[in-house]
Amino acid sequence: SQQGEEDPQALSIQEGENATMNCSYKTSINNLQWYRQNSGRGLVHLILIRSNEREKHSGRLRVTLDTSKKSSSLLITASRAADTASYFCATDPNSKLTFGKGITLSVRP
Amino acid sequence: GAGVSQSPSNKVTEKGKDVELRCDPISGHTALYWYRQSLGQGLEFLIYFQGNSAPDKSGLPSDRFSAERTGGSVSTLTIQRTQQEDSAVYLCASRVAGVYEQYFGPGTRLTVT
Repeated sequence: SQQGEEDPQALSIQEGENATMNCSYKTSINNLQWYRQNSGRGLVHLILIRSNEREKHSGRLRVTLDTSKKSSSLLITASRAADTASYFCATDPNSKLTFGKGITLSVRP
Repeated sequence: GAGVSQSPSNKVTEKGKDVELRCDPISGHTALYWYRQSLGQGLEFLIYFQGNSAPDKSGLPSDRFSAERTGGSVSTLTIQRTQQEDSAVYLCASRVAGVYEQYFGPGTRLTVT
């Protein structure tokens, strides 16, 4: 079953714009992670935020977590064509990752 | 190795045949995971290894699916009597004990005809 639900399902923006993606989850968590997938193959870990953190930054990425609303958002600033990919949020109840359905981000040059 | 490797990268098989998918995790990563990604079901957990034992097999969809891990390293996922609904990308991931981030391989795309 899907633990996380991302929103929107698809996002198309112009290069240089910011992209905001949202994720909601159902159960209590230790942490929430965001992954990127290019061309339907391997996933790449982007960033992890722990349940006692509210905001975290890594390069052009900013992730927030609101445990009271069971939601997280991922912001990619100054997007590039190379950011075109699918993005997944994931929680890890009992050590295994449970993913949302993903967001398809298209960045137009 | 530098990353998680999986083989084969693509596999086409006839319905009813058995297939074996291999995963080589990053050296020193004690935890290993198998996931499946299909259009209809998204990304699903299959099985988790800690060392050579599998404390969580809850995601295996049927008894046609099995997996083993030897020497705390390489893992093989076996699907017997393949069905068309088994067509998917099978992803392997590994992680270091005490660290949450998982490192994924490129996947094996399985097509059952």
